[in-house]
Amino acid sequence: QQKVQQSPESLIVPEGGMASLNCTFSDRNSQYFWWYRQHSGEGPKALMSIFSNGDKKEGRFTAHLNKASLHVSLHIKDSQPSDSALYFCAVTLNYNQGKLIFGQGTKLSIKP
Amino acid sequence: GPKVLQIPSHQIIDMGQMVTLNCDPVSNHLYFYWYKQILGQQMEFLVNFYNGKVMEKSKLFKDQFSVERPDGSYFTLKIQPTALEDSAVYFCASSLGTGAAETLYFGSGTRLTVL
Repeated sequence: QQKVQQSPESLIVPEGGMASLNCTFSDRNSQYFWWYRQHSGEGPKALMSIFSNGDKKEGRFTAHLNKASLHVSLHIKDSQPSDSALYFCAVTLNYNQGKLIFGQGTKLSIKP
Repeated sequence: GPKVLQIPSHQIIDMGQMVTLNCDPVSNHLYFYWYKQILGQQMEFLVNFYNGKVMEKSKLFKDQFSVERPDGSYFTLKIQPTALEDSAVYFCASSLGTGAAETLYFGSGTRLTVL
């Protein structure tokens, strides 16, 4: 049974700072990795995905994947107050499923 | 961006009653999902649905649960009868395809309270 664990549970970062969120997964057959963001009162929204080892950058957001270490991370540069939200890591097992296994989330607060 | 609408946002019912949660997926999407989130815990996959059929369901998708999308209208999750442990936020999602690279678009959720 795939387990997805996120750390930290919550994080406070000053405006303009770097936020780093971590996620570990248990199944070495995991193929695709997503980061979702959920603002209060809304549903989760896909931020970015990664499936190859290494870094993937999209604007201020960089995802890093290390399958050997069963680890994926998200780094947010120049954090803005609008980045304050709940961030979920989600993992899929194979290329033919849309089924996501979610972590429990990291609550990110950006302090002006 | 694409929007998934869920109606109602909050529903309170007595244990043993039937409840139907409604989802209006993104208009050209073909695959539909329900996820369940108990307060303070992660979202968990319940079921996915394509072409009028359940493709896969988890152990959380009890016999009392059913899904359908009659004639391209709402994608619904019906629970009959409800139990106390069904209290949770239910998220509907849709996607264009079913590959792992497909983006799932989620609604804002329906908070179900079973008394």
